[in-house]
Amino acid sequence: QVQLVESGGGVVQPGGSLRLSCAASGFTFSNYGMHWVRQAPGKGLEWVAFIRFDGNNNNYADSVKGRFTISRDNSKNTLYVQMNSLRPEDTAVYYCVKELAFKSTLTPFDYWGQGTLVTVSS
Amino acid sequence: EIVMTQSPVTLSVSPGERATLSCRASQSVTSNLAWYQQNPGQAPRLLIYAASTRATGIPARFSGSGSGTEFTLTISSLQSEDFAVYYCQQYNNWPRTFGQGTKVEIK
Repeated sequence: QVQLVESGGGVVQPGGSLRLSCAASGFTFSNYGMHWVRQAPGKGLEWVAFIRFDGNNNNYADSVKGRFTISRDNSKNTLYVQMNSLRPEDTAVYYCVKELAFKSTLTPFDYWGQGTLVTVSS
Repeated sequence: EIVMTQSPVTLSVSPGERATLSCRASQSVTSNLAWYQQNPGQAPRLLIYAASTRATGIPARFSGSGSGTEFTLTISSLQSEDFAVYYCQQYNNWPRTFGQGTKVEIK
């Protein structure tokens, strides 16, 4: 069965950095686009970033562009996001999310990890 | 950016009754619209995609309709496990955007 397990969350000071990881299993990781979606405490869902199945294309929300970098290692079935210049408004649960369709461009999200909490505070 | 607006913000429904949730896009997303359910403390779960296709394992009491800018999620007879927050999402354009959510609560 599909499993997405995030790690790397924690408390960081404003201006600091953090790298989140997502270990994927139960499917052919290299065939699917992947995303990060976040949810601030008590708030709704916000899409953060996307990376194509082969790692050759990505997209970012304006709120994180230039500060976050999404990447993947298909040999390790792992998704990453490097988060720099963190701000208090980046405080959220970060979900690793798999696309439904194989090597597609217009596809919803079918599997979500349980999330990892990032808290940006001094 | 396409803005997704859900209504109502909160819907109070009795068990066994029908719930109708709405989602409006600020511009056409054709049929590239999904609905997700989120229970407290849990990750979202895909219910409906392509506006009207139920995801794997989703009960038939959930149905979706609409295209372009107006979409509806209907739960025909609410069960206890259906009281949750529901989000619509468009995947037609970048950035992917979600509605603010509709909370379905017990009346």
